[in-house]
Amino acid sequence: RKEVEQDPGPFNVPEGATVAFNCTYSNSASQSFFWYRQDCRKEPKLLMSVYSSGNEDGRFTAQLNRASQYISLLIRDSKLSDSATYLCVVEYGNKLVFGAGTILRVKS
Amino acid sequence: DTAVSQTPKYLVTQMGNDKSIKCEQNLGHDTMYWYKQDSKKFLKIMFSYNNKELIINETVPNRFSPKSPDKAHLNLHINSLELGDSAVYFCASSKLLVSSYEQYFGPGTRLTVT
Repeated sequence: RKEVEQDPGPFNVPEGATVAFNCTYSNSASQSFFWYRQDCRKEPKLLMSVYSSGNEDGRFTAQLNRASQYISLLIRDSKLSDSATYLCVVEYGNKLVFGAGTILRVKS
Repeated sequence: DTAVSQTPKYLVTQMGNDKSIKCEQNLGHDTMYWYKQDSKKFLKIMFSYNNKELIINETVPNRFSPKSPDKAHLNLHINSLELGDSAVYFCASSKLLVSSYEQYFGPGTRLTVT
């Protein structure tokens, strides 16, 4: 099993749609989890941390299932500006391991 | 204003050459990193430094040598460049060497080896 695995997509959705991304990880001892966003030819930026109880930030909701070693990101009411690559990131000891990313394209 | 800066932004060079990439952060962070993002978009850690001390060396060829003159700077020197070194190299920093802290990335250096 890869350290962090994501569906690469692309996910092509219309504006206003709800879209969900999933991610699995292999290290059951991992304690910290994140979603980063990377725009085309730009650097990754933190979108949100993922907590055990689940957390929400505006239109974005992140969930963690430790038993299944699974993380999700839900985006509601998609905007054109949400088009980007979403990177699932998992802590492995003193380093972060990045998934290859899921491409989202929001179309008008 | 820029939190994490890298120079140069683009680097085109021939096989066998030696090149350096510089990174500076003005966030007052203790920890800095070098990542490599290849053509398949995988972002992989290469090195991390905490207060000028090397913490992670992620099985990177010894042609790559990081140097941290102070905790605000982490430079990357690459000897005898190979075609496979072509990638985008990102510098990053975080407040502490604890993985729960957000990492702030520089804009990247796009290295092309011909």
